[in-house]
This record gives sequence, structure tokens and C-alpha cells, in this order.
Amino acid sequence: EPEVTQTPSHQVTQMGQEVILRCVPISNHLYFYWYRQILGQKVEFLVSFYNNEISEKSEIFDDQFSVERPDGSNFTLKIRSTKLEDSAMYFCASGSQGVGNTIYFGEGSWLTVV
Amino acid sequence: SQQGEEDPQALSIQEGENATMNCSYKTSINNLQWYRQNSGRGLVHLILIRSNEREKHSGRLRVTLDTSKKSSSLLITASRAADTASYFCATDAVVDYKLSFGAGTTVTVRA
Repeated sequence: EPEVTQTPSHQVTQMGQEVILRCVPISNHLYFYWYRQILGQKVEFLVSFYNNEISEKSEIFDDQFSVERPDGSNFTLKIRSTKLEDSAMYFCASGSQGVGNTIYFGEGSWLTVV
Repeated sequence: SQQGEEDPQALSIQEGENATMNCSYKTSINNLQWYRQNSGRGLVHLILIRSNEREKHSGRLRVTLDTSKKSSSLLITASRAADTASYFCATDAVVDYKLSFGAGTTVTVRA
């Protein structure tokens, strides 16, 4: 069964460093998302992406965050200058028809900022 | 915010028993979805119920939706130890491109 794959599974980074989290969505999907979950808290929406542009972003997704679909298969989330409070599990998700239909999540990338 | 809120926060049951958890939300929705998350793992989609549906089944799962009360319930019948996980409801509205998740119900199934 096709699945969303994410790398790395776990990354430890120094505060202030740039981090890129990578995702390979399911191949025929057109809608892509990033969510995050701080330990013990709710899953929070970060950004949605369709047709090579951001469809919607949350307040969390400030200027330190960016997304890119560089080559038609990967979907990346970049955090420019990490802060301690960016420590969280970051989930990539994709869907074939957008929200309102099933969205499939990856296993997540656990980011620890020290 | 239209985030769903699950109730109870935690549930402990014996294997073979049924587990019921509820989700309430604040604004009108298009759909409501339930996800499962094993500890430290990703979110696994369980079932999607549309706003014009009242009940849906998938295997041992039964989901109901009452749009007048803005609530949904997830029933897991004949629970197994492997059902131990956190369960989240997630809602979306017509104009949003995002899912809004609740805080989840942690279910522990004792062997």
C-alpha cells in the first residue's frame, strides 16, 4: 500500500541552526500538508500546499518556516533558525483530493532543538 | 476555532470490551475523520464521515455523527490489546484547507 515517507525520523539540532525535513508524498497525490505535534499536545496544522503554492498557513507558520516541492516528488519543510519551542514531531501528509477527503500521514520526523 | 475535543481524555478497558469515545466541535463542518496514533508513531486514518451521514462502519469501528449537537462518537467493539493507542477526531470546514485535531483519547486495552 502506498505511503507517505519522511526523513529523518529523528534529528537533534542546535538552537539557531537551519533544519530541512523531507517528505515523499504518495505519488498521485496533489495536496500536501505539514502538521506538528509538541509532546503530549494536539496535532497542529502548519501549512497546506497545492499547485506549487501555499493554500493556507497557520499562525505558527511564520517567516522562519518555508515549504518547497523542489522536484515533483519531494516536499520539504525548512525551519530557518530553530528555537527550543520548535521541538516537536513534524508530520507530512498528502491527499488526492484535498481536505474533505482522506489525508494520509507519514510516520513523522521528531525534531529536538537543544 | 472549530477544533474537536475528545472525551474522555483516557480510557482503560479489558480486552473484549467495547470502547466508546466522543468528539465535540464548535462550527459547521464538511467532514469528520478519526485517526489512531500509536505511541511515538504517525497518524493512521480510520474512518471519514461526511456531514450528511449519520453512521458509518468499518470492521470493528462504528462512527456516528450528530451535526445538530456538533458531536461524533467512535465505538471500538471487542477491543484487543493492539487497539491500545490515542484516538483523535479531526474536522474540516468548507473553506478550510486544513484539519483541526482534538486533544485525543488515550485508550488502554488490558489483556
